[in-house]
Amino acid sequence: AQKVTQAQTEISVVEKEDVTLDCVYETRDTTYYLFWYKQPPSGELVFLIRRNSFDEQNEISGRYSWNFQKSTSSFNFTITASQVVDSAVYFCALSLTDTGNQFYFGTGTSLTVIP
Amino acid sequence: KAGVTQTPRYLIKTRGQQVTLSCSPISGHRSVSWYQQTPGQGLQFLFEYFSETQRNKGNFPGRFSGRQFSNSRSEMNVSTLELGDSALYLCASSLVQAAAGNTIYFGEGSWLTVV
Repeated sequence: AQKVTQAQTEISVVEKEDVTLDCVYETRDTTYYLFWYKQPPSGELVFLIRRNSFDEQNEISGRYSWNFQKSTSSFNFTITASQVVDSAVYFCALSLTDTGNQFYFGTGTSLTVIP
Repeated sequence: KAGVTQTPRYLIKTRGQQVTLSCSPISGHRSVSWYQQTPGQGLQFLFEYFSETQRNKGNFPGRFSGRQFSNSRSEMNVSTLELGDSALYLCASSLVQAAAGNTIYFGEGSWLTVV
């Protein structure tokens, strides 16, 4: 069975602090895809990044960075120098080769950045 | 480029009634999938449509149904509404049919309250 765990339910940080959101996944498939989405209060899930299981290279995009480690089945997300606009709920998700657009989402981490 | 558009954004229905939600995918996208988001169950996959055919279905009762039109627009219907159907219903679109690693892009959702 597939499962995505985001153990951190809520995180609060002061503006300009760095914050890491954890994501642990479970699957027996050898080929899979991992995603992060951001959900502001408006409700729309905004796509942030996609990673496939063959590419463990870490990625940095501006203040965002992602650390993918197959050995620990983790795909963590770090925001550097957090800003108030980063306040949102962040979801990690998993998709498989034979279930296509059926994503398995974690329960989300609510991030509050305090000015 | 317009994103995924969902209507209506907010609605209130009475138990036993039915509801129809509409989704217009990103221009050129042919696959539409639907998700239900509740505080208790999180984000759960409902179904996916491509070329007017349902390609995949999640674990929901038959009261939940959908369809897709030739212009890729999609509707989902919930009949005999129950209080537990109160949720944010999110539509997502992708360029092609469910395939490994598709990124799906979400709309802002339809907030349904059943009273």
